[in-house]
Amino acid sequence: QVQLQESGPGLVKPSQTLSLTCSVSGGSISSDTNYWSWIRQPAGKGLEWIGRIYTSGNTKYNPSLMSRVTILVDTSKNQFSLEVSSVTAADTAVYYCMSEDLQRGMSWGQGTLVTVSS
Amino acid sequence: DIQMTQSPPSLSASVGDRVTITCRASQVISNLLAWFQQKPGKAPKPLIYAASSLQTGVPSRFSGSRSGTDFTLTISSLQPEDFATYYCQQYYSYPRTFGQGTKVEVK
Repeated sequence: QVQLQESGPGLVKPSQTLSLTCSVSGGSISSDTNYWSWIRQPAGKGLEWIGRIYTSGNTKYNPSLMSRVTILVDTSKNQFSLEVSSVTAADTAVYYCMSEDLQRGMSWGQGTLVTVSS
Repeated sequence: DIQMTQSPPSLSASVGDRVTITCRASQVISNLLAWFQQKPGKAPKPLIYAASSLQTGVPSRFSGSRSGTDFTLTISSLQPEDFATYYCQQYYSYPRTFGQGTKVEVK
C-alpha cells in the first residue's frame, strides 16, 4: 500500500485560491492501476469527493465544484496537487488525498485542515 | 449521480455483538464498493474494497458482501476499538459518492 501525505497552508483568505499537495511514497504516481483523488470533510459532516487524476493527466471532477477545481500531477516529484479558486467559508474542511487501486484497494493521507477566514 | 443510502444512521451495540451495516446503491455499481472506518479526528481507514476483499492488515472479523445493489459490512464480534463511524463509497462511476455514515456506539 502506498503512503500519502498532504501539505499546504492551513489558512486561506476568502476569494483566494486554496492549494494543497499530496506526496506519494511506497509506490509510483505513474502506476497504471492507481487513480489519485482528493476528498474533503467539513467539521461534523460526511465525505465529499472532489476529483481525481490519472498518471496521464486525465482528470474527473465533481460537477458541484468543477468550475473552481484543478488537479495536477507531477511525476518527477511523485506528487499530485489540488487548487480550489474563489474560496468561501463553505470550503473550510479537512482535505484528504486518496489512492484508488482497483487491485489493492484504497489508501488515505492523514488529512489537513484548511480554514477559510480573513 | 449514484446515491448511496446507508442504514442505520446509528446503532448501539456491546462488545462481542455481531453488527451489520447496509449500503444500497441507486443503480448498478457492479462490485465497486469500498467500506471505511473513521474515528474522531482521524482519517478514514480502508476496510474493504471490491465489496468483499479485505484490505491488508484489517482483522478478519470484518467482512463485506453484495446482493445486487445492496451491500453489507459485517463485524462478527465487535471489539472495543471498533466503535467508530463507518462509510461506504462507490467507485463505479463519477462523481464518486459516499454513504451518509453509520455511527456505532456503546450500548
